[in-house]
Amino acid sequence: EVQLVESGGGLVKPGGSLRLSCAASGFTFDYAWMTWVRQAPGKGLEWVGRIKSKADGGTTDYAAPVKGRFTISRDDSKSTLYLHMTSLKTEDTAVYYCTTYFVHSWGQGTLVTVSS
Amino acid sequence: NLMLTQPHSVSESPGKTVTISCTRNSGTFASNYVQWYQQRPGSAPTTLIYEDTQRPSGVPDRFSGSIDTSSNSASLTISGLKTEDEADYYCQSYDDNDHDIFGGGTKLTVL
Repeated sequence: EVQLVESGGGLVKPGGSLRLSCAASGFTFDYAWMTWVRQAPGKGLEWVGRIKSKADGGTTDYAAPVKGRFTISRDDSKSTLYLHMTSLKTEDTAVYYCTTYFVHSWGQGTLVTVSS
Repeated sequence: NLMLTQPHSVSESPGKTVTISCTRNSGTFASNYVQWYQQRPGSAPTTLIYEDTQRPSGVPDRFSGSIDTSSNSASLTISGLKTEDEADYYCQSYDDNDHDIFGGGTKLTVL
């Protein structure tokens, strides 16, 4: 069974940092391009960024609102995806989902609240 | 900047068929795949359609996707509507930088 399980969300002050994790199982994680998507309260889905598989170069791409502040990485030995968020703003408050088109699966999401 | 425009809401009766549109303001769906996602209230999104018309295993064939290149639009059609289909539906495609772009979402009411 394919599973994506996010963790690491919580309350953080503006300007702070947080690292989210997404533990994957049930598929060959090494081959998968992995994506982070977020959803602000009451709003639609917003693409955050993506990391390709190492076989495809392992490169990352980011949406304009997070570029330079967020970093996506992966540890294939642990089948885990990461999202390192810095210089957090109140507008980053959202549920963060990891997903992969490789097996068309989404995690359950983790809530990040940026507030003083 | 690429925008994908969806109707804000649609409604239809159980057993009927409904179609949700997704229109690009630039670029073409002919060269960029479309995906569709369902998000029930309080739940994570799930993938209904990928690569314009393909269904992941487990998705009923009541759900179908199509592309109309003449109008630069994509459509999600749901037939035999059930009350459990009441959800938000999002289209997603790619811009010129190969970045994912989501439509604003369509709230489907089955009444």
